[in-house]
Amino acid sequence: DAKTTQPPSMDCAEGRAANLPCNHSTISGNEYVYWYRQIHSQGPQYIIHGLKNNETNEMASLIITEDRKSSTLILPHATLRDTAVYYCIVRVQYNFNKFYFGSGTKLNVKP
Amino acid sequence: DGGITQSPKYLFRKEGQNVTLSCEQNLNHDAMYWYRQDPGQGLRLIYYSQIVNDFQKGDIAEGYSVSREKKESFPLTVTSAQKNPTAFYLCASSIDRGLGAFFGQGTRLTVV
Repeated sequence: DAKTTQPPSMDCAEGRAANLPCNHSTISGNEYVYWYRQIHSQGPQYIIHGLKNNETNEMASLIITEDRKSSTLILPHATLRDTAVYYCIVRVQYNFNKFYFGSGTKLNVKP
Repeated sequence: DGGITQSPKYLFRKEGQNVTLSCEQNLNHDAMYWYRQDPGQGLRLIYYSQIVNDFQKGDIAEGYSVSREKKESFPLTVTSAQKNPTAFYLCASSIDRGLGAFFGQGTRLTVV
């Protein structure tokens, strides 16, 4: 599985868009990008995933660069409840490979 | 409701005792995973299982053991050989149909 690089922390004002970057320069053609978040002392929660097209759901949008070497998770209107650690993971779909979680990005949403 | 359940939420044990953490899922998922998380750290993989009666070591398997006798259950035993067992333990399952892994709410183990 490809490794990912994320900034350790970011701040965002409440109501503004939060843009969380992830670098995955060694990603393979059949590896998907997944995003999870973990609110303090809880289990990680799935947010979104994608292969090469941009994706959007009720929680967030995922923008993947054309060369697939990086991606950005966008929370369009951050709230205080979005304060969490956000993990970017790449792995092969339909393959029981291991999930590797790095240290993630701690997003601090401030009033 | 379908989900993955870990119990108990908090667990205290004396040093030198083995302890077993429970993980049950009713999602009909084939794969299950155990992770360890230390304060301010990401998740590290302990063991994973792709199918009943089969499991593989992760990056930090030393001092831990697992079993997978039923599809729904993947208990983790923290043995006395684990040098620093105090941590937050997370269990997950996946069917690999795009949504990735579903996680339990974790068990916080404190060894005194």
